[in-house]
Amino acid sequence: AIQMTQSPSSLSASVGDRVTITCRASQDIRNDLGWYQQKPGKAPKLLIYAASSVQSGVPSRFSGSGSGTDFTLTISSLQPEDFATYYCLQDYNYPLTFGGGTKVEIK
Amino acid sequence: QVQLQESGPGLVKPSETLSLTCTVSGGSISNYYWSWIRQPPGKGLEWIGYIYYSGSTNYNPSLKSRVTISVDTSKKQFSLKLSSVTAADTAVYYCARRVAARPIYCFDYWGQGTLVTVSS
Repeated sequence: AIQMTQSPSSLSASVGDRVTITCRASQDIRNDLGWYQQKPGKAPKLLIYAASSVQSGVPSRFSGSGSGTDFTLTISSLQPEDFATYYCLQDYNYPLTFGGGTKVEIK
Repeated sequence: QVQLQESGPGLVKPSETLSLTCTVSGGSISNYYWSWIRQPPGKGLEWIGYIYYSGSTNYNPSLKSRVTISVDTSKKQFSLKLSSVTAADTAVYYCARRVAARPIYCFDYWGQGTLVTVSS
């Protein structure tokens, strides 16, 4: 199975900060990667698919980049509602595998 | 608006079979892959498997020997059975719709999740 390594596992940031989360795949997954946001007690929500395509309705401060094995989720200006846990997911082959998650906390 | 709703027992005894159903409303069940994903308390997400509306399936090898996913298109429902459960199967179980049509691969709609506890 493809291993997805996310970093950092947690971070503290302030409102307005630029935040970057990375995800590394154990093998080439082309651009078959998605990013999901999960708030406590809620289901994950799709933010980004195909590494850089923003899902409809997602604010433009969220962006994704990368291909092959290295990917990045960027929040250009962190807002109060963005404090959550973020997961990457490789959609390249089965079994589908998630990264371990990055918890974004308030500084 | 597509909605998914999980249903089933919240408590299952060890060695028994966990059974959950996901009901789809507001959209078609055709042409999509319908998945189950779980999350142990305080931990990350694990993909369990999917069923295509036509009935083809794919399971996570880590659970394959214990998992069965089925679909009833007439009721717009799909179901999960996980046999011989242990405490390690205690988790929130989510159903989700997967789009898999290159270049788009993603889980675009999710159920709210249901906590299943394995305990005697």
